[in-house]
Amino acid sequence: ETGVTQSPTHLIKTRGQQVTLRCSSQSGHNTVSWYQQALGQGPQFIFQYYREEENGRGNFPPRFSGLQFPNYSSELNVNALELDDSALYLCASSFTSGGVGNIQYFGAGTRLSVL
Amino acid sequence: QKEVEQDPGPLSVPEGAIVSLNCTYSNSAFQYFMWYRQYSRKGPELLMYTYSSGNKEDGRFTAQVDKSSKYISLFIRDSQPSDSATYLCAMSIYNFNKFYFGSGTKLNVKP
Repeated sequence: ETGVTQSPTHLIKTRGQQVTLRCSSQSGHNTVSWYQQALGQGPQFIFQYYREEENGRGNFPPRFSGLQFPNYSSELNVNALELDDSALYLCASSFTSGGVGNIQYFGAGTRLSVL
Repeated sequence: QKEVEQDPGPLSVPEGAIVSLNCTYSNSAFQYFMWYRQYSRKGPELLMYTYSSGNKEDGRFTAQVDKSSKYISLFIRDSQPSDSATYLCAMSIYNFNKFYFGSGTKLNVKP
């Protein structure tokens, strides 16, 4: 077990709705990254949060947004859900020092189904 | 062209076989190379990571990186049914702020 916890485990939403996913990072880690993993594919980087600010973003539209809190936990928000947003959403935590990160450890993920 | 290419398999081998899993990449700035194992409906679990070129061994697992060919491998010796999972390669530049993953190779080790 990595100590990275995600909630909820599963979620079913309808197209057009909004969703919030949550992640608690591993003890001692200060950085959280979010990934989307479609069925049969590798994880795709959404964004990373460090010091409560976005520290890098992948090719995802602005309706994907995030937050990091002072305790280093994080939220991923997705607005105006589309059918293609159905996927496993993974949170990974790591430790960053002097602007340089380290190995990322993953949680079990939240499986989102958009109907 | 994807930055990281990985044969999706599936790869089916008998118990005790040596397994070779591979990835190729296009970005010469990648410096860190990771292998993750993912069981069905679980998050990826870090197996090994290496820096730059060379070999690294950990028990039954050996990771190899050939930066000149932009090619990485993971070897599993004496494979076990419990090794049946999807294996993901991942890469990063020096600052680790973004990991680039392959699509994963599904491995089935038959008893």
